Parts: sequence; structure tokens; C-alpha cells
Amino acid sequence: EAGVAQSPRYKIIEKRQSVAFWCNPISGHATLYWYQQILGQGPKLLIQFQNNGVVDDSQLPKDRFSAERLKGVDSTLKIQPAKLEDSAVYLCAIRDRGRGTGELFFGEGSRLTVL
Amino acid sequence: LAKTTQPISMDSYEGQEVNITCSHNNIATNDYITWYQQFPSQGPRFIIQGYKTKVTNEVASLFIPADRKSSTLSLPRVSLSDTAVYYCLVGDPIYNFNKFYFGSGTKLNVKP
Repeated sequence: EAGVAQSPRYKIIEKRQSVAFWCNPISGHATLYWYQQILGQGPKLLIQFQNNGVVDDSQLPKDRFSAERLKGVDSTLKIQPAKLEDSAVYLCAIRDRGRGTGELFFGEGSRLTVL
Repeated sequence: LAKTTQPISMDSYEGQEVNITCSHNNIATNDYITWYQQFPSQGPRFIIQGYKTKVTNEVASLFIPADRKSSTLSLPRVSLSDTAVYYCLVGDPIYNFNKFYFGSGTKLNVKP
């Protein structure tokens, strides 16, 4: 079964500092997503990768957020400089087409607090 | 982009059946209805998916009327561990998943 490891689980930074999150799918999956989940809200898609390429980054604040996918496997999401409103949980997910449902498998997320 | 409307929260007691309804008036022909469950400090987890009529698995049932403008997630005999947020998503799960919209979900609180 698909699995997603994320690190770090928790991060506290001051505003205007930078931060990076890592996503490590346990097995290879072509499609990888980063979501932002603010407390009390549903996850919001930030960026979708298909292999190494970006499929959709329409909701990624590109002036401060960047993401890349290395060799179609691992991925990083960076925020520089961080703002208070970036406090959220950042979720990485991969899509498993094998079951025919296209279901997403999420990691446990990285919780960011910006002070 | 098919958006959904769900109740913000629901309360239930252990052992009861819980039905959570989702409205999706703009559902497209190729769209499926997918439900996810999210516990605190975890990512969402797939529960069930359907296109029409009724789908049942070991966790839940999904009822979809003929017009497909709404759907109902049914959780039989809930326990305290079913306390979570439940999201209804509508979209093409294979080719257009980036168009899925999670919304705020329904927070289910199961009481002893």
C-alpha cells in the first residue's frame, strides 16, 4: 500500500524567516500534491506534480512559496519569507491509480507556526 | 468546478447510525463522489467512492439518488473513534483530481 512520510512534523519560526518541508513517498507514484490546511478549514491544493513536472500551481503564492520534485519521487516545499497567515498544516499526498478510485494517500503533515 | 455543501457539524451517540448529506448541484457527467475522513493531527483518509445508486464497503455506505445532485454517507453503529471531520468531494478521480475541492467538511462528534 502507498505511504507518505513527511518531515519535520512541527516547525516554529518567526515571520520573515524561511522554512522547508520534505515529502518522501514510500513507493513511486507519478502524481504528488501539496496541500495547505489552515485550522478549521479543509485542505487547499497548493501544487500538483506529474512526475517532475508541475500540472497545477494556480493557488501557490509564488512570491514566497516554491516547490520541486526530485527525480519524480521526493518533493520539497519552501516558504521564504514566511508570514503569519502561513501558519497551517502542510500535507503531502500521492495518488494511487491502481485501485481505480484515484484515491489520495496523505502524510501526517507538517505543522507550521509563524510567530 | 463542482463545489459541495455539507452541514458544518453533527452530534451522535455511540451505536447510532449517522447519515451525512452532501449537496453538489453542479456535478458533471464524469464526476464521481468521494468521501474522506480526517482525524486530528492526521491527513485525510479515503472512505468510499461512488457514481450512482448505492455503494457499500466495510466502513460505510454511500447513497446517490438518480439526479446525483446530492449524496449521503451512512456510518452504521458509530463509535467514539468515528469522531472526525468528513469531507465530500466531487470530481473526476482519475483525470482531473486537481479540480477537487475539499470544503470545510462536517465535524462529527460521537458521544458516549
